[in-house]
Amino acid sequence: GAVVSQHPSRVICKSGTSVKIECRSLDFQATTMFWYRQFPKQSLMLMATSNEGSKATYEQGVEKDKFLINHASLTLSTLTVTSAHPEDSSFYICSAARTSGGIGDTQYFGPGTRLTVL
Amino acid sequence: AQSVTQPDIHITVSEGASLELRCNYSYGATPYLFWYVQSPGQGLQLLLKYFSGDTLVQGIKGFEAEFKRSQSSFNLRKPSVHWSDAAEYFCAVATFYNQGGKLIFGQGTELSVKP
Repeated sequence: GAVVSQHPSRVICKSGTSVKIECRSLDFQATTMFWYRQFPKQSLMLMATSNEGSKATYEQGVEKDKFLINHASLTLSTLTVTSAHPEDSSFYICSAARTSGGIGDTQYFGPGTRLTVL
Repeated sequence: AQSVTQPDIHITVSEGASLELRCNYSYGATPYLFWYVQSPGQGLQLLLKYFSGDTLVQGIKGFEAEFKRSQSSFNLRKPSVHWSDAAEYFCAVATFYNQGGKLIFGQGTELSVKP
């Protein structure tokens, strides 16, 4: 149980285009989902926290107009990288917290999406 | 601000040998502490977590970790490493833990296992 999927697993796009990444909780409802960015050989950096039905909360330094997050349902959050540039190339990881989890429950992580912007 | 430091970027151990991965945190109060493992193509998997109580925490896959407040450390250990343990390991801290909390990750330690 508690499986999170991401789609696509890899995407290559041209500079200036927009890319949408989906994060789905497959067997549980997730009021809260998180988006992270991971550079090669580096740590995961939290980009934003999204709550179903409300606006995402972005971490300091993350451009909310560039990284659009939508959490329209309890099982789906999307991250859209708008007008992508080569510096946006990275590994994007989502995680989800179970609505029924309560205090002490962990985040469940997706396998990640590798974005390459040419 | 809270932070996590994993001093070792890369560690190599022989199969069957013991393992200790170091983690130090910076936070004024008692944090919530975690160890995750990341394997290629798979999402981060929780190995164990510490919230309160017994400072020696048992996790999955034979791992354990010990919380030492005086040293601000939460080192991960395993008595006998298997080749399948080769992966990236992340220590993380959360200052609250509701609805998944807000995790701050260390830089990660890459573990290689020699046959």
